Amino acid sequence: GGIITQTPKFLIGQEGQKLTLKCQQNFNHDTMYWYRQDSGKGLRLIYYSITENDLQKGDLSEGYDASREKKSSFSLTVTSAQKNEMAVFLCASSISGNTLYFGEGSRLIVV
Amino acid sequence: TQTVSQSDAHVTVFEGDSVELRCNYSYGGSIYLSWYIQHHGHGLQFLLKYYSGNPVVQGVNGFEAEFSKSDSSFHLRKASVHWSDSAVYFCAVSASNNRIFFGDGTQLVVKP
Repeated sequence: GGIITQTPKFLIGQEGQKLTLKCQQNFNHDTMYWYRQDSGKGLRLIYYSITENDLQKGDLSEGYDASREKKSSFSLTVTSAQKNEMAVFLCASSISGNTLYFGEGSRLIVV
Repeated sequence: TQTVSQSDAHVTVFEGDSVELRCNYSYGGSIYLSWYIQHHGHGLQFLLKYYSGNPVVQGVNGFEAEFSKSDSSFHLRKASVHWSDSAVYFCAVSASNNRIFFGDGTQLVVKP
């Protein structure tokens, strides 16, 4: 079996700071995703990538950048952290976009 | 526009009870329908999915779901719940462009 590793588990930054979350998978999956989950809410798609160097915007891409330089990794950058975007960020991967395998999540804290 | 609607934000049952968690969707094309479970503080885990064939699909830990095209529904059921089934359950729709849409989730609480 494979695993998805998200780092860091907690990311603390100041308002206005640029912050990056990283995600690695060893499933050899083509497609990777970043979702944002606000407390007690569902998942909203930020970015996804169907192959290395591909990027597709989701519904919540404004204020975020993403990078897929290798098949196994997908990073997400918060370009200017705001207190109202404290949330859990979930990374996932899949073979063909029908079954997702998730990491444990990274919690963003903005002080 | 694709939507996934989970009408119940919270469901509370007693251990040993049966439960049904509802999911309705709107999408015109060919799709996969899935259910995921999220225990507190963790990522989501896949439970089961439907694409075609038998409308009743079996998942892990005694969960099953039934697809209904006429109702645009994919409800999740379990005949006898255990306290460890307490979690948030998400319904998801996968479109042909690799995009996956999630409902807002249903918090299931199983009381002893």
